[in-house]
Amino acid sequence: QQQVKQSPQSLIVQKGGISIINCAYENTAFDYFPWYQQFPGKGPALLIAIRPDVSEKKEGRFTISFNKSAKQFSLHIMDSQPGDSATYFCAVLKGGATNKLIFGTGTLLAVQP
Amino acid sequence: NAGVMQNPRHLVRRRGQEARLRCSPMKGHSHVYWYRQLPEEGLKFMVYLQKENIIDESGMPKERFSAEFPKEGPSILRIQQVVRGDSAAYFCASSTQIPGQGVGAFFGQGTRLTVV
Repeated sequence: QQQVKQSPQSLIVQKGGISIINCAYENTAFDYFPWYQQFPGKGPALLIAIRPDVSEKKEGRFTISFNKSAKQFSLHIMDSQPGDSATYFCAVLKGGATNKLIFGTGTLLAVQP
Repeated sequence: NAGVMQNPRHLVRRRGQEARLRCSPMKGHSHVYWYRQLPEEGLKFMVYLQKENIIDESGMPKERFSAEFPKEGPSILRIQQVVRGDSAAYFCASSTQIPGQGVGAFFGQGTRLTVV
């Protein structure tokens, strides 16, 4: 039962370009939407997160756009750099007693110099 | 302030052996979460523990897997009689006791289990 669908599976972007990764979720009970960056052999690192009461959040070159009615959210990486090359995961969280994250399947981003 | 510490980083076990994975949460954190990542897949929730309590184990396989978080010491994820399908990266995350706050913010570097 996949509750979070992430696309694309892989993405190649030129240096300086915009990387866009999309996620769609099925359950409206989620109340926290983080994005993670993972380098090979490392643990996931929280990149940026949003709560459903706002439609956009920006931190540096990273922006989350959130569409509550469509149950979709996306990560935009502006001015993409080769150092951004990594796997990106979206996730959703339903707080309360369980506090468990449900992850998307990941997007492998390659930024070409 | 050390982050979430997991050990060992790499673990090789023969089929049928037991694997023990350890997770020390960040200082001041009393909640621990275990996730499993199969090759080229996202992380899958396994279990959520507080000190001496299992809060949610809905992601744990029914057999061979167990987890604990004792009053003293690290959280332990134990896999008995390992099979090749258990080969994966196992990640631990920790958070404070305040509901929802900081959940998912702190992950360890993972233990990569290889069953041969």
